[in-house]
Amino acid sequence: AQTVTQSQPEMSVQEAETVTLSCTYDTSENNYYLFWYKQPPSRQMILVIRQEAYKQQNATENRFSVNFQKAAKSFSLKISDSQLGDTAMYFCAFIEGGSQGNLIFGKGTKLSVKP
Amino acid sequence: AAGVIQSPRHLIKEKRETATLKCYPIPRHDTVYWYQQGPGQDPQFLISFYEKMQSDKGSIPDRFSAQQFSDYHSELNMSSLELGDSALYFCASSLKVVGVEEQYFGPGTRLTVT
Repeated sequence: AQTVTQSQPEMSVQEAETVTLSCTYDTSENNYYLFWYKQPPSRQMILVIRQEAYKQQNATENRFSVNFQKAAKSFSLKISDSQLGDTAMYFCAFIEGGSQGNLIFGKGTKLSVKP
Repeated sequence: AAGVIQSPRHLIKEKRETATLKCYPIPRHDTVYWYQQGPGQDPQFLISFYEKMQSDKGSIPDRFSAQQFSDYHSELNMSSLELGDSALYFCASSLKVVGVEEQYFGPGTRLTVT
């Protein structure tokens, strides 16, 4: 069974600094997708960034980028120039490719951006 | 752009009552997923539908049932409610396109069982 592990329950960062959230996963599949979702206090689940396992290039979305290490089954999220609005719960999630299956989430990392 | 719509946004029920949660996916999306997020927990997959047929089942209690209708909206029916059913229930929708596996979440329905 696939599992997603986020080893940092809570993190904090000063505004304008950079922070990296860790995520590891376990799967025997070769085709899959990885995601980072943000859940602010409003509880809305917002997709931050997506990575296809077959792509070697790390995904980037403005201030958000990932470090995808397929062999190590690692998928970390880097947030640059942190803003107060980045304060949220961040979930790493996995989906098996080709099956249109459900998302499997990690336990989440609570990120606080301090002014 | 249109998003996933869930209703109601908040629901308060008593133990042993029933509840119906509704989800309206993004237009032209053919797949709907239901997730349950307990307090301080990560979302857990309940059930999904593709083209009005159940496609996958997760940790959904037997007291719960769901279906997807001809207009692609979905309803999650919950009976004999228990205190432990208090949670945020998300619906997500996606379009089954090869190479794209992106689920868009609705705002959630917060169910409180007293």
